[in-house]
Amino acid sequence: NAGVTQTPKFRILKIGQSMTLQCAQDMNHNYMYWYRQDPGMGLKLIYYSVGAGITDKGEVPNGYNVSRSTTEDFPLRLELAAPSQTSVYFCASTTDRGNTEAFFGQGTRLTVV
Amino acid sequence: GNSVTQMEGPVTLSEEAFLTINCTYTATGYPSLFWYVQYPGEGLQLLLKATKADDKGSNKGFEATYRKETTSFHLEKGSVQVSDSAVYFCASRGGATNKLIFGTGTLLAVQP
Repeated sequence: NAGVTQTPKFRILKIGQSMTLQCAQDMNHNYMYWYRQDPGMGLKLIYYSVGAGITDKGEVPNGYNVSRSTTEDFPLRLELAAPSQTSVYFCASTTDRGNTEAFFGQGTRLTVV
Repeated sequence: GNSVTQMEGPVTLSEEAFLTINCTYTATGYPSLFWYVQYPGEGLQLLLKATKADDKGSNKGFEATYRKETTSFHLEKGSVQVSDSAVYFCASRGGATNKLIFGTGTLLAVQP
């Protein structure tokens, strides 16, 4: 059981480049989340989805886009990368039930130079 | 909306010391409450949870009790080990959106 898989694990981008962070889960979870974690800081919610075709903004959505065409996949798109987007990105998934925990991927460490 | 506030770190303790990390929440209704742990270089993993008032979650010697009257979910451990060194996150989930909301995290460093 793979759980939540994020790719790539590490990436260096130049300012202005674009990339997609991939996230896939095999637990048939409807809820999926993208967080960023800046050095020494907590988690900030970027976007989340409650099911295929449904996405909504979190606390810090500017500079990012998401799509959810399938239950399994929830990619995060960075357009025109900026140094402020240097961070570790975590994807998570959970069920519809509010009393169930979320499962996290191992993270993608992104550096924008 | 829902929010979670947890004590600032870092917390530095000697091995076998008693640990408390405070966490309070604001919410409409009664959210489920969680403690997650993040070891260096890794993702977050669930440590324990409580889903209703007066529930006690426990795992690996850690405990936390869901206190509705004080809107708190403090994490405790009677005797910490060096291997407990990590960042601990308090989180809540509930309300209309059912979003998972995290506190800022508390870095725990246990010295031998």
